[in-house]
Amino acid sequence: SQQGEEDPQALSIQEGENATMNCSYKTSINNLQWYRQNSGRGLVHLILIRSNEREKHSGRLRVTLDTSKKSSSLLITASRAADTASYFCATVIYGQNFVFGPGTRLSVLP
Amino acid sequence: EAGVAQSPRYKIIEKRQSVAFWCNPISGHATLYWYQQILGQGPKLLIQFQNNGVVDDSQLPKDRFSAERLKGVDSTLKIQPAKLEDSAVYLCASSFGQSYNEQFFGPGTRLTVL
Repeated sequence: SQQGEEDPQALSIQEGENATMNCSYKTSINNLQWYRQNSGRGLVHLILIRSNEREKHSGRLRVTLDTSKKSSSLLITASRAADTASYFCATVIYGQNFVFGPGTRLSVLP
Repeated sequence: EAGVAQSPRYKIIEKRQSVAFWCNPISGHATLYWYQQILGQGPKLLIQFQNNGVVDDSQLPKDRFSAERLKGVDSTLKIQPAKLEDSAVYLCASSFGQSYNEQFFGPGTRLTVL
């Protein structure tokens, strides 16, 4: 698997439901970041979680990080049609640069 | 504040032709990145500049790709000659300070090589 790999590859949910996507990585990281990409706004930073943090919140977003399992999860609560996008995790490795995963394609159906 | 600007937004060329992309980062951002994003994949870093110096170009196909950032502000990425597999979106991003920080992305240039 890649350094940062999202799971699932694709996810379809109904509006109002919660969406959870996961990211697994292989080597120690400085921080992990989640980005969203849709056709309207391009690639946008959502949240950054450092290696010494376990959970962060931003509005309807909740990110967790488990460094022992080398994994992170992104939870979007009360999803909206506007949340339809591809979501990428980017792992920032000590002394190296960003590595983006292949992404999770989220579809929120009205 | 103004975002990262890129031009052109779209480009169609034939294989073996040359093409150049331009990027103007957010004012004050010392670090500039060029990424290649092939359809259905995540962005892949091609080159990173810190001011006008290259920090990382390990994934840049140097036989055909080149990039420069004169005066440490805007940057150009060139492909010469283009191949069919170069069809992708080329994204420019910038960040304040070191590369561990949040990156701000431009809208990208969609390149189609026929």
